[in-house]
Amino acid sequence: GAVVSQHPSRVICKSGTSVKIECRSLDFQATTMFWYRQFPKQSLMLMATSNEGSKATYEQGVEKDKFLINHASLTLSTLTVTSAHPEDSSFYICSARGDSLRYGYTFGSGTRLTVV
Amino acid sequence: GQSLEQPSEVTAVEGAIVQINCTYQTSGFYGLSWYQQHDGGAPTFLSYNALDGLEETGRFSSFLSRSDSYGYLLLQELQMKDSASYFCAVREGSQGNLIFGKGTKLSVKP
Repeated sequence: GAVVSQHPSRVICKSGTSVKIECRSLDFQATTMFWYRQFPKQSLMLMATSNEGSKATYEQGVEKDKFLINHASLTLSTLTVTSAHPEDSSFYICSARGDSLRYGYTFGSGTRLTVV
Repeated sequence: GQSLEQPSEVTAVEGAIVQINCTYQTSGFYGLSWYQQHDGGAPTFLSYNALDGLEETGRFSSFLSRSDSYGYLLLQELQMKDSASYFCAVREGSQGNLIFGKGTKLSVKP
């Protein structure tokens, strides 16, 4: 089945610094990847749709200059949280679709970001 | 607006059957999916319905009625390991972006 590898799993950073999260599709090509954010005991909120070779599409209310998304290849998408603040602390998860919708979307293992 | 409604919590005992309902209101609809998420983990795919009717996968079944904008996840022969949050999600756009419900926390008791 489709596997999506996400790194790092946990990161603690200081306010004002930037953090890069990588998401790789290991055994399939993902022209589109999705980035979600999940606060404790809440649902997953779509942040942006990442398209290989083009600009990402951001959801309303998500700052594109703060959450930089790069999808330079068919197997790699990155999310960079710039000038992080404590309120950016959250669980960030990427997902991609495999060959068939019948097998759903595969999620990365998530990145727990804590900004101190 | 867009919304997916599902119960916030459900409690059941081992061996029982539980049904988690989901009603949705979205601007687009390309199918209803269900995902399981254990605390601290990432969501894992359970089932997908694009057409009306019942889909069965082992102990889990999912149903969709597009005319009613309604679906449910049925979990049979509950096990302790089924304790988790369950999310319904609508594939809203042609690109495939998912809109998630708020999740139902299922607690399975001995």
